[in-house]
Amino acid sequence: SQELEQSPQSLIVQEGKNLTINCTSSKTLYGLYWYKQKYGEGLIFLMMLQKGGEEKSHEKITAKLDEKKQQSSLHITASQPSHAGIYLCGADWQGGKLIFGQGTELSVKP
Amino acid sequence: DVKVTQSSRYLVKRTGEKVFLECVQDMDHENMFWYRQDPGLGLRLIYFSYDVKMKEKGDIPEGYSVSREKKERFSLILESASTNQTSMYLCASRGRAWGTEAFFGQGTRLTVV
Repeated sequence: SQELEQSPQSLIVQEGKNLTINCTSSKTLYGLYWYKQKYGEGLIFLMMLQKGGEEKSHEKITAKLDEKKQQSSLHITASQPSHAGIYLCGADWQGGKLIFGQGTELSVKP
Repeated sequence: DVKVTQSSRYLVKRTGEKVFLECVQDMDHENMFWYRQDPGLGLRLIYFSYDVKMKEKGDIPEGYSVSREKKERFSLILESASTNQTSMYLCASRGRAWGTEAFFGQGTRLTVV
């Protein structure tokens, strides 16, 4: 969806390196979700953020929602091959929609 | 364990056929969604439903219709399949409209030949 822009679209990192994925909204975010997808499979929920400035962590993955609630970042520390996949940000949108960005494809080289 | 089940993982259909994709959830969720996923385009919302017999258009409804006769089941219908509908289709459900996690099915990879 053009309402949610993710960057970069793809990323190749060496195992052990840190990385950041960004998700930018055209409007104020009231619910921001991060999901991970293994190739050819469904989406697995990672985290949800709702408040400006909120930060959550799950294992080595940290997500933040900025104070203005229009941008979120997902940070992976010391990446591992198991982190490889497609990361998608999703958001609650007007009219009851749940929309998603175009995804970031992450490859981790051993 | 919560579950969203899509009837097929892989499907091959001919151009012009009527195609039904079925999705069933066992969580008593009010809201259900159908998306298609294409490389570089992410997940695009086709239709969603917030209650039995209710449906709302998403961002790309053209060429599709939906049916929700029972709370647990949400069907996506391709009235006359075309090659540009070859895609991965994902179904999701969640309880409330806002601020809750959505659960996804495993996806149906549809090829129209």
